[in-house]
Amino acid sequence: DIQMTQSPSSLSASVGDRVTITCQASQDINNYLNWYQQKPGKAPKLLIYGASNLETGVPSRFSGSGSGTDFTFTISSLQPEDIATYYCQQYEKLPYTFGQGTNLDIK
Amino acid sequence: QVQLQESGPGLVKPSETLSLTCTISGGSISSYYWNWIRQPPGKGLEWIGYIFYSGNTKHNPSLKSRVTISLDTSKNQFSLKLGSVTAADTAVYYCARDDGTSGNNAFDIWGQGTMVTVSS
Repeated sequence: DIQMTQSPSSLSASVGDRVTITCQASQDINNYLNWYQQKPGKAPKLLIYGASNLETGVPSRFSGSGSGTDFTFTISSLQPEDIATYYCQQYEKLPYTFGQGTNLDIK
Repeated sequence: QVQLQESGPGLVKPSETLSLTCTISGGSISSYYWNWIRQPPGKGLEWIGYIFYSGNTKHNPSLKSRVTISLDTSKNQFSLKLGSVTAADTAVYYCARDDGTSGNNAFDIWGQGTMVTVSS
């Protein structure tokens, strides 16, 4: 299986801050990477697909980049409603695998 | 718009079979991959498997041969059966759509999730 490693595991930031989460794959996954946001008690929500494509309806403060094994997810200006856990997920090879998650909260 | 809803027992005894159904409303079951994903309490996400609208299935080898995913196009539903369950199978189970036909496999629509506890 392809292992996905996110860092940090948790993060505190202030409203308006630029927030960055990284995701590293255990092997080359091209750009076959998605990012999801999960709020407590809710299902995950797709934010970014194909490493850098913004899902329809998702605010433009969210962005993604990277290719190969190293990927970055960025919130350009943190808003209170962005408090959630964020997951990366690869779809280069079955079984699809997720990172362990990054818990983001407000400082 | 398309919505997914999981249904099934919330409590299953050890060694028995967990059975869940996902009902698709507002859209067709055709042309997509239909997935099951689970999340143990306080933990991360694990992909269980999918069924393509043609009936082709794939599942996570970590679950060995315990997984069966099936489709009922007449009811716009797909189902999960997980056999020989143990406490380690306690989780929130989600159904999710993957629009792999666009060249990008991503879970773009999710059900709300259903908690299944394995306990005697």
